[in-house]
Amino acid sequence: EDQVTQSPEALRLQEGESSSLNCSYTVSGLRGLFWYRQDPGKGPEFLFTLYSAGEEKEKERLKATLTKKESFLHITAPKPEDSATYLCAVPRSATNKLIFGTGTLLAVQP
Amino acid sequence: DAGVTQSPTHLIKTRGQHVTLRCSPISGHKSVSWYQQVLGQGPQFIFQYYEKEERGRGNFPDRFSARQFPNYSSELNVNALLLGDSALYLCASSWRVLETQYFGPGTRLLVL
Repeated sequence: EDQVTQSPEALRLQEGESSSLNCSYTVSGLRGLFWYRQDPGKGPEFLFTLYSAGEEKEKERLKATLTKKESFLHITAPKPEDSATYLCAVPRSATNKLIFGTGTLLAVQP
Repeated sequence: DAGVTQSPTHLIKTRGQHVTLRCSPISGHKSVSWYQQVLGQGPQFIFQYYEKEERGRGNFPDRFSARQFPNYSSELNVNALLLGDSALYLCASSWRVLETQYFGPGTRLLVL
């Protein structure tokens, strides 16, 4: 069964304390993996799209990487404004339907 | 450029009523998808439309329906509302199917 699992469910960091979020997936024939950031009560904000194992993308303090089974979102020297829920999603096998993980709730304390 | 817009932002309905949610995609985007997000969960896929044709449907009852208009805007309709339909309804647009989807701010629906 196609699945997306994110860990940890919640993460609390001190400002400047780097860490990584994990997204593992089980779909046949990956056709893209998407990372989003979501603030409470708002729509998800697009961060990155990754298409093939070994691919990496960076934006400010965030760096996303992809392997054949999982993706990591690395956060370097986070700031309080990085606090949000981070979601990953992949298209379900042989369909156009995006399936999302339940997200990682990140809290960065000053 | 304007992003994805949705209306209304908030809505309160009672059980059994009907609701229509609206979405305008980013200019030039031809695909619109609808998602339901309950608190603490990731968005759940409801529908996808491309060039006014349905391209995907999630595991939702027939009370849920949608359509896409010639200008690529879209409506999501939900009939016979249940308490469990209370959620944040998200619309996302993309240039084509399987391209990166960009989300609107959502419509918060509360069913009493």
